[in-house]
Amino acid sequence: KNQVEQSPQSLIILEGKNCTLQCNYTVSPFSNLRWYKQDTGRGPVSLTIMTFSENTKSNGRYTATLDADTKQSSLHITASQLSDSASYICVVNRDDYKLSFGAGTTVTVRA
Amino acid sequence: DTGVSQNPRHKITKRGQNVTFRCDPISEHNRLYWYRQTLGQGPEFLTYFQNEAQLEKSRLLSDRFSAERPKGSFSTLEIQRTEQGDSAMYLCASSSGQVNNQPQHFGDGTRLSIL
Repeated sequence: KNQVEQSPQSLIILEGKNCTLQCNYTVSPFSNLRWYKQDTGRGPVSLTIMTFSENTKSNGRYTATLDADTKQSSLHITASQLSDSASYICVVNRDDYKLSFGAGTTVTVRA
Repeated sequence: DTGVSQNPRHKITKRGQNVTFRCDPISEHNRLYWYRQTLGQGPEFLTYFQNEAQLEKSRLLSDRFSAERPKGSFSTLEIQRTEQGDSAMYLCASSSGQVNNQPQHFGDGTRLSIL
């Protein structure tokens, strides 16, 4: 079964601190891995897309890593801001149009 | 870029009623997707269109659900005889070209509440 597992389920951090979110997947075949940010009541917004040959990609204060051998990815948020409070969803794309979504990690940034 | 637009944003209806949602994708995108998302979960795939052709329907899409994209532009998702379990956020997304290297752009969804 194609699965995407994310951890932790939720976390709380202080403004200005860093955090790292984890994603493990068993999806096969694998085409690319995406991280999306979803604000409450809004649709997901793409942060990064990585193919199997890429092991890191940054988008501002967001840095994603990928280890295609161990089927693990992480999303690192640097110098968190209040606006980073959201759900972060790991998404794995097979070799067609189908995406397998994780349940997301809810990040709460407190002042 | 006006993004993906979904209407209505919220829909409250009684069990047994029919509802219809509309999605207007980004204009140059030929691929359109519908997803359903419940609280605390990631989106689940419902159906996919390439232009006006509906190429796949998930098992989640029972015979009470129907989706159309008549002219390859906007799409509608209809749920007939709604049930309590249909309460969810219904998300539409669109993309262009080769999906493997293009992000899907999501709308802000229609939240359906069944009384």
